[in-house]
Amino acid sequence: GENVEQHPSTLSVQEGDSAVIKCTYSDSASNYFPWYKQELGKRPQLIIDIRSNVGEKKDQRIAVTLNKTAKHFSLHITETQPEDSAVYFCAASIGGGFQKLVFGTGTRLLVSP
Amino acid sequence: DGGITQSPKYLFRKEGQNVTLSCEQNLNHDAMYWYRQDPGQGLRLIYYSQIVNDFQKGDIAEGYSVSREKKESFPLTVTSAQKNPTAFYLCASTPGSSGKETQYFGPGTRLLVL
Repeated sequence: GENVEQHPSTLSVQEGDSAVIKCTYSDSASNYFPWYKQELGKRPQLIIDIRSNVGEKKDQRIAVTLNKTAKHFSLHITETQPEDSAVYFCAASIGGGFQKLVFGTGTRLLVSP
Repeated sequence: DGGITQSPKYLFRKEGQNVTLSCEQNLNHDAMYWYRQDPGQGLRLIYYSQIVNDFQKGDIAEGYSVSREKKESFPLTVTSAQKNPTAFYLCASTPGSSGKETQYFGPGTRLLVL
């Protein structure tokens, strides 16, 4: 079936560095790509999303880029802070009339002070 | 974060027992979803419902059942046919029913087998 691959599975950076997480998807019809942040024991929360009609979207320190031709999209976090430490999930919409989300396996980001 | 609730926070299941996880939302959202989360894995879709009195199987529906008798409620029953039910269960909702919208998650229920 359709799937989403996410890399790396863990990422350790120093405070102030940038972090990049990459995802690839298999369904060429996918057109909605959200990113969720999940802190330990908490619910996932949307941090940014992008639709297939744009190539990049930015919100303060967070940006997402989309390459439809290569079927991959990436999350960029600049000036990382310890509170950015969490698990990040990418997702892609798949299907026809009703598009369900397929999630990547997650990236555990650790930002050290 | 408010508006979608799940109960209980922790649930223990005995061998051969059916258990029901509650999910309620007061956001007036049309669609609701159930996901299962295992350690080191992403969220996997169990069931979803686009409108009241209608629901569809997701990718891992075997051993689970749902109902959608009211717009605000979407309970999940983990039946005895689910042989490996230990996981974190997340309920979510979206304003519309296209599937291409922000999903708002509940706080989750952690199910453990005794």
